[in-house]
Amino acid sequence: SQTIHQWPATLVQPVGSPLSLECTVEGTSNPNLYWYRQAAGRGLQLLFYSVGIGQISSEVPQNLSASRPQDRQFILSSKKLLLSDSGFYLCAWRPGQGIQETQYFGPGTRLLVL
Amino acid sequence: AQKVTQAQTEISVVEKEDVTLDCVYETRDTTYYLFWYKQPPSGELVFLIRRNSFDEQNEISGRYSWNFQKSTSSFNFTITASQVVDSAVYFCALSDNTGGFKTIFGAGTRLFVKA
Repeated sequence: SQTIHQWPATLVQPVGSPLSLECTVEGTSNPNLYWYRQAAGRGLQLLFYSVGIGQISSEVPQNLSASRPQDRQFILSSKKLLLSDSGFYLCAWRPGQGIQETQYFGPGTRLLVL
Repeated sequence: AQKVTQAQTEISVVEKEDVTLDCVYETRDTTYYLFWYKQPPSGELVFLIRRNSFDEQNEISGRYSWNFQKSTSSFNFTITASQVVDSAVYFCALSDNTGGFKTIFGAGTRLFVKA
């Protein structure tokens, strides 16, 4: 069966520090991968998605970036964090076969920027 | 353009009451898929159900039931005899060819079930 991992689970970082969040999927190949952010009490904001190694689509311009160095690895980064980057970051995957596929989510990372 | 509207921001019920969460969607595609997810306080989104646009049959799973009506572009979710453990944020979502690789999520409805 497929599983999705995210780490760290929680993170407290000072403003201006770098960020690296990692997501890995097991038990599948060539998945579509997604990064979402959820501010407190709010809905899901799609940040990036990837349909293959090295292929990144950005949905919202900001100081975050994403990379997909391996088929089942998706990394979210920032060179300098802002206070507004605080939130709950969710990674998700979906089989690459089409629109009928269900998206599955990881456990998330809670980021607090102080 | 595709859109998913969950007009109810928060709902509060007393345990054992029935509650319906509304979801209205917009799409120009004739083939599409609708989903419901549950986000408990722990944060992880849990997939509940998927429905395709050609299957309007309602579905029941235990205390959960879903009513899909293409005529009103709605895919509502009912919890019967609600329990405290049902307290969560519930998201409705849409996947279609226009959106391609993306699944479009509604803003979510926060359900509070009081003992």
